[in-house]
Amino acid sequence: DAKTTQPNSMESNEEEPVHLPCNHSTISGTDYIHWYRQLPSQGPEYVIHGLTSNVNNRMASLAIAEDRKSSTLILHRATLRDAAVYYCILDKETSGSRLTFGEGTQLTVNP
Amino acid sequence: DTGVSQDPRHKITKRGQNVTFRCDPISEHNRLYWYRQTLGQGPEFLTYFQNEAQLEKSRLLSDRFSAERPKGSFSTLEIQRTEQGDSAMYLCASSLSGQGRRYTFGSGTRLTVV
Repeated sequence: DAKTTQPNSMESNEEEPVHLPCNHSTISGTDYIHWYRQLPSQGPEYVIHGLTSNVNNRMASLAIAEDRKSSTLILHRATLRDAAVYYCILDKETSGSRLTFGEGTQLTVNP
Repeated sequence: DTGVSQDPRHKITKRGQNVTFRCDPISEHNRLYWYRQTLGQGPEFLTYFQNEAQLEKSRLLSDRFSAERPKGSFSTLEIQRTEQGDSAMYLCASSLSGQGRRYTFGSGTRLTVV
């Protein structure tokens, strides 16, 4: 399965923007980029996903590099409730259409 | 959209006992997935169904594990002769088939084997 690489942890201050990076250099043309987040003792929660173009929704924005080898999840104004583990995952057509999770980025938000 | 429901939320069992978990997916979703998650790790894929057919099983799914999805609706995951190493969070997710579909996860069943 294609690997994604994320920093183990990041810190942010409340009400400031957060940029969470993800490298996926082995991405192929039909792979979708998904982001999920997980709070303690809960299941992963969908955040956003995209293929080639940048995407925006009420939770976040996804910026995808032109060569698609990296992407960035942008939280425009971090809140304490955004503290979670964030997973960047490739939804690969060849993987039987299931998500393969890495270890993600633990985001800490300071008040 | 009532989300993905999992039951029970917590289960404590003695080593050697059998346990069964249930997952109710979003009703219009034809795909259903089971994952296992241990502390500090990301979820690991176990198996998935498209409608009632089990299409893929991970090597993690030993012969003590069995999953079913009768009639393509809810699913059950059974663990026979539980071992302490089975202690984990068991997560269920559902989606529509096709790439680029979002996955919806349940809150999980926390299994503790004592």
